[in-house]
Amino acid sequence: NAGVTQTPKFRVLKTGQSMTLLCAQDMNHEYMYWYRQDPGMGLRLIHYSVGEGTTAKGEVPDGYNVSRLKKQNFLLGLESAAPSQTSVYFCASSALGLAGVGPNTGELFFGEGSRLTVL
Amino acid sequence: AQKVTQAQTEISVVEKEDVTLDCVYETRDTTYYLFWYKQPPSGELVFLIRRNSFDEQNEISGRYSWNFQKSTSSFNFTITASQVVDSAVYFCALHGNKLVFGAGTILRVKS
Repeated sequence: NAGVTQTPKFRVLKTGQSMTLLCAQDMNHEYMYWYRQDPGMGLRLIHYSVGEGTTAKGEVPDGYNVSRLKKQNFLLGLESAAPSQTSVYFCASSALGLAGVGPNTGELFFGEGSRLTVL
Repeated sequence: AQKVTQAQTEISVVEKEDVTLDCVYETRDTTYYLFWYKQPPSGELVFLIRRNSFDEQNEISGRYSWNFQKSTSSFNFTITASQVVDSAVYFCALHGNKLVFGAGTILRVKS
């Protein structure tokens, strides 16, 4: 999806290291999300944002922090990486919110994913 | 509580066969949305369809069709005359008070 870009695509970390995943969207969407995808578990919401300067916890927020200083960017940080955070991370954005997260339900546009391995 | 169950972990078919991917959901919400997403080997997630809980009409889009039955809490996805390019992981998702994804079904279409 050319509208949502994630960097880096791949990263290997040692336990205890920190890193930041960057998500950028050029569709002027208000809502942005970070999901993790693990085998047999589908996608689970880590954190989300309903607009510039706002963030909120999702289903599995522990061990992660986020920031939305600019409308087009949503950063996901790992302060002290753990092997349990080995996963594929997806960023998504939407023009309309998801009920319970925002006022309406809308289609999500996903990035291509970032594969993170923590040794 | 909301839950989406995709009981089929993996399905293998031969090209041109029809295949149905099952999705069963649980929710207490009276208003909700159901989605299907496709994740090809390249990894990105592609939106396929969104249906709301008040619209039980079946939908057809080319070789794809969806059967929504509230009585059985199911939202099944059928691919007619499957092709190798249909090989992917398919996710069903439910949105009531939050968006919940199923575990996904791996579809392998062999030539």
